[in-house]
Amino acid sequence: DQQVKQNSPSLSVQEGRISILNCDYTNSMFDYFLWYKKYPAEGPTFLISISSIKDKNEDGRFTVFLNKSAKHLSLHIVPSQPGDSAVYFCAASAISSGYSTLTFGKGTMLLVSP
Amino acid sequence: GAGVSQSPSNKVTEKGKDVELRCDPISGHTALYWYRQSLGQGLEFLIYFQGNSAPDKSGLPSDRFSAERTGGSVSTLTIQRTQQEDSAVYLCASSFPGLSTDTQYFGPGTRLTVL
Repeated sequence: DQQVKQNSPSLSVQEGRISILNCDYTNSMFDYFLWYKKYPAEGPTFLISISSIKDKNEDGRFTVFLNKSAKHLSLHIVPSQPGDSAVYFCAASAISSGYSTLTFGKGTMLLVSP
Repeated sequence: GAGVSQSPSNKVTEKGKDVELRCDPISGHTALYWYRQSLGQGLEFLIYFQGNSAPDKSGLPSDRFSAERTGGSVSTLTIQRTQQEDSAVYLCASSFPGLSTDTQYFGPGTRLTVL
């Protein structure tokens, strides 16, 4: 039973355009959401997060949107750059647990072409 | 400063053998997590340490899996009598102080292949 779902295994975008990566969750206890980026043969690196008290968080070219009623979040990358090509994982946790065991989606491979 | 390191980077073993995977967290990080990523899957939580104790072992898939942490630092994940389904990349992460909103820093992982 997948509690965090990334339904698009891959996404191709041209350099300079917007990349939109989507994520859905089923567990209503989740109240903290993160995006991690992973290059081959490296561990995931933290990108951006959002608490359930917000609906948007922005950091440079990266913006995460949260729609709690739909249990949906998305990561927008504008403008996309070839160096953004990587696997992006959506993750969620429950702040109420007091610690942060993350539940991850399966990832979306983003390819940004020049 | 130094990040999370894991060893070995690759491990090939025969079915039925025991393996030990090591994680060196970032110095001073009190929280340590083990995850694994099987082919085509997301990262799956295995166990969480706060200091040397493991308040959450709920992700360990069977009693063949165990982990310990000593000195609040290095952790080892042991898999006994390995099976082919144990083949995966095993990732370790650490954070300070271990609150739910802390950023977890991941190591590069150990790729385990069970023949």
